[in-house]
Amino acid sequence: DGGITQSPKYLFRKEGQNVTLSCEQNLNHDAMYWYRQDPGQGLRLIYYSQIVNDFQKGDIAEGYSVSREKKESFPLTVTSAQKNPTAFYLCASSPQWINTEAFFGQGTRLTVV
Amino acid sequence: KNEVEQSPQNLTAQEGEFITINCSYSVGISALHWLQQHPGGGIVSLFMLSSGKKKHGRLIATINIQEKHSSLHITASHPRDSAVYICAVGTLVGETSGSRLTFGEGTQLTVNP
Repeated sequence: DGGITQSPKYLFRKEGQNVTLSCEQNLNHDAMYWYRQDPGQGLRLIYYSQIVNDFQKGDIAEGYSVSREKKESFPLTVTSAQKNPTAFYLCASSPQWINTEAFFGQGTRLTVV
Repeated sequence: KNEVEQSPQNLTAQEGEFITINCSYSVGISALHWLQQHPGGGIVSLFMLSSGKKKHGRLIATINIQEKHSSLHITASHPRDSAVYICAVGTLVGETSGSRLTFGEGTQLTVNP
């Protein structure tokens, strides 16, 4: 079945450590996105990628980094520079960057202690 | 003021009731999306619409572009409809850079048996 796979579902890390969240899609989608969700707030865009080997900062990119070396993979690294990393992270993809339906993963809940 | 406002924030209904969730937006959009998020966090896309009305099973979505308003209706509600419903608008980014999504905060729906 086609879809987006995020792993792991739950992740715990000590403060000061970098952590990488995985996002893989087998939908052959060009565009991929990372969002952050905090209680009582809408999803906010961290980074997006329109095509392989290209990515752009979203609204809250500080403290995060991404790569897009393969079409199907868009990993997100939460660095120690991110001041409030504890959150729910969602990956999404869409066939094109231009106004198409988005497909979402199941999310990763990151807790930094 | 958020660019995308949903109401109500919380909604409790009895099984069988007709439910309406509203979404108002303040920006020009290319399309509007209704999403469903279940406990556990995964998000499913319900509708993408840019005009008129769409129906899928017991779900109906309408949009009024002039009034910048959309509604999601659930007929004959069921406890399995309990979830967070999120409105998101697609807005164009630059002349050829495609569109991005801006999300409302979501409406928590609880349907009691």
